Amino acid sequence: KAGVTQTPRYLIKTRGQQVTLSCSPISGHRSVSWYQQTPGQGLQFLFEYFSETQRNKGNFPGRFSGRQFSNSRSEMNVSTLELGDSALYLCASSFLAGQKAEAFFGQGTRLTVV
Amino acid sequence: TQLLEQSPQFLSIQEGENLTVYCNSSSVFSSLQWYRQEPGEGPVLLVTVVTGGEVKKLKRLTFQFGDARKDSSLHITAAQPGDTGLYLCAAPGYSTLTFGKGTMLLVSP
Repeated sequence: KAGVTQTPRYLIKTRGQQVTLSCSPISGHRSVSWYQQTPGQGLQFLFEYFSETQRNKGNFPGRFSGRQFSNSRSEMNVSTLELGDSALYLCASSFLAGQKAEAFFGQGTRLTVV
Repeated sequence: TQLLEQSPQFLSIQEGENLTVYCNSSSVFSSLQWYRQEPGEGPVLLVTVVTGGEVKKLKRLTFQFGDARKDSSLHITAAQPGDTGLYLCAAPGYSTLTFGKGTMLLVSP
């Protein structure tokens, strides 16, 4: 079956702009999580959605937001981009929630802010 | 906040060598996961360890969960260039994963 698909793969934006990233989870998976990966901080949790509801949010400013649609596809939005937002943004989907759930990651969207 | 410390941060070895990477914390976990991330790809789950003292083997990779469930190790026997990648440990929460910063492994032919 198809894996987690993230679009676009690469993106270059200017400071102050906004950006929307998309994630299509594995068919049947209802939980979608987003992570930011940078060389200095590693992988950091942004937020998690399940059945269109945000269940958990990481320690990121309000410029970072997301949503999930009825077909489980998810988008995340970053407004008023800053240079420090340059990162690999990863989406993960899982069938179940909980400590034994297996997360499947997409290839990520590489965002560069100039 | 659960903090996972991974060591070493970077490891460069020759093909055929053995190595061990570590994931340590002061917190107790009900389980820990290990992922491998190759360049340009997302992390891929290798194993989940659940029981204190548990040892799991995946071909040449051996994973161990500490008796006190505060730490874990990954041992690779006879490393191959295909083992090159970023090895991440993660603590699953209800709807989140908390990751260590990873060990970057480079295996040269």
